Amino acid sequence: GAVVSQHPSWVICKSGTSVKIECRSLDFQATTMFWYRQFPKQSLMLMATSNEGSKATHEQGVEKDKFLINHASLTLSTLTVTSAHPEDSSFYICSADRDGETQYFGPGTRLLVL
Amino acid sequence: DAKTTQPPSMDCAEGRAANLPCNHSTISGNEYVYWYRQIHSQGPQYIIHGLKNNETNEMASLIITEDRKSSTLILPHATLRDTAVYYCIVDSGNTPLVFGKGTRLSVIA
Repeated sequence: GAVVSQHPSWVICKSGTSVKIECRSLDFQATTMFWYRQFPKQSLMLMATSNEGSKATHEQGVEKDKFLINHASLTLSTLTVTSAHPEDSSFYICSADRDGETQYFGPGTRLLVL
Repeated sequence: DAKTTQPPSMDCAEGRAANLPCNHSTISGNEYVYWYRQIHSQGPQYIIHGLKNNETNEMASLIITEDRKSSTLILPHATLRDTAVYYCIVDSGNTPLVFGKGTRLSVIA
């Protein structure tokens, strides 16, 4: 099956610092990856669409300069939360589109900002 | 907004078949029906998807009505490890998935 990994699986940081989360498709290439976040007891909410070799598209209300996305290769997309604050604490999940038809999700990264 | 309607919760006895319904009356001709599940504190896991025909894989079966306005996910022999939130999503592929609230399935010993 298609495997997507995320690193780190969890991170604790101080307010004001930046945190980078990696999303890798391990056994397939993904032109498009997506970043979601999930707050407790809520469903997944799309943050941005990441396309290899081009700028990401952020959803309304998601600041592109705060949530930096880089999709430098067909197997790696990174999300950097800049100047993180406690309200950014959440479960961040990526997905990768394998074949234009099916998306596979990573295991998620739990971020806690103190 | 999600284009699907699912019951908020269901219970199923261990070893029995779990039948999870989903209504998608506004589905377009080029949209697939996808099923994912999310076990607590993990990323969503792909289960199955289909366009018109019924589908079966090692995890589940997907039954889509002829008018495509509803579908049922069948877990043939539910185990305790199948306890999760199940999401039914309609999408044309290669676009962001819109998650609704899903159905919380509890498998009971």
